[in-house]
Amino acid sequence: EIVLTQSPGTLSLSPGERATLSCRASQSVSSSYLAWYQQKPGQAPRLLLYGASSRATGIPRRFSGSGSRTDFTLTISRLEPEDFAVYYCQQSGTSPTFGQGTKLEIK
Amino acid sequence: QVQLVQSGAEVKKPGASVKVSCKAYGYTFSDYYIHWVRQAPGQGLEWMGWINPKNGDTNYAQKFQGRVIMTRDTAISTPYLELNRLRSDDTAIYYCARVAFYSDSSGPFDYWGQGTLVTVSS
Repeated sequence: EIVLTQSPGTLSLSPGERATLSCRASQSVSSSYLAWYQQKPGQAPRLLLYGASSRATGIPRRFSGSGSRTDFTLTISRLEPEDFAVYYCQQSGTSPTFGQGTKLEIK
Repeated sequence: QVQLVQSGAEVKKPGASVKVSCKAYGYTFSDYYIHWVRQAPGQGLEWMGWINPKNGDTNYAQKFQGRVIMTRDTAISTPYLELNRLRSDDTAIYYCARVAFYSDSSGPFDYWGQGTLVTVSS
């Protein structure tokens, strides 16, 4: 099983700041199968990025992704109030796994 | 528009079984794999398995082998998750989710159901 480790566990920032979230895999992951989700309290996860860097339909340009093999990054260029949530990375290969999540909170 | 609408909350006793449904709207049901994911209270996301709606093929996470059954009724565009021999640590929100890519078991999940809370308590 591919284990995904996200860091930091909690990130405290202010609106307008830049957020950088990390996802590290225990073994190489094809970029095609690396996705990021946002989850707000009481809601299902929402797909943000897939293929490591492609934005899903309707996702604002301030969300971007990068990385390869075992190290991937989600960047939010300028935080909006609605961006404060929990973010999960996922490897969506044969047996998908999720990271444990990064909580992005208002400082 | 695409929607996955799940059945309502359940309360079960330890050792019982639960069956959750996930009715699909707005697309050709047989064309996209459905996965099931659960989330315990305050915890992260845990993948349980998938079903191919076209032919009923399934693939379960090893952790749930022998306890989970995924089925579907193509006539009403509805996949089902059945979990047997429930324990208190099965208390969670159970989500169905659709793979974004046509006829592919692997890939990101672009549409999710609203979730079904299953509570296991004596």
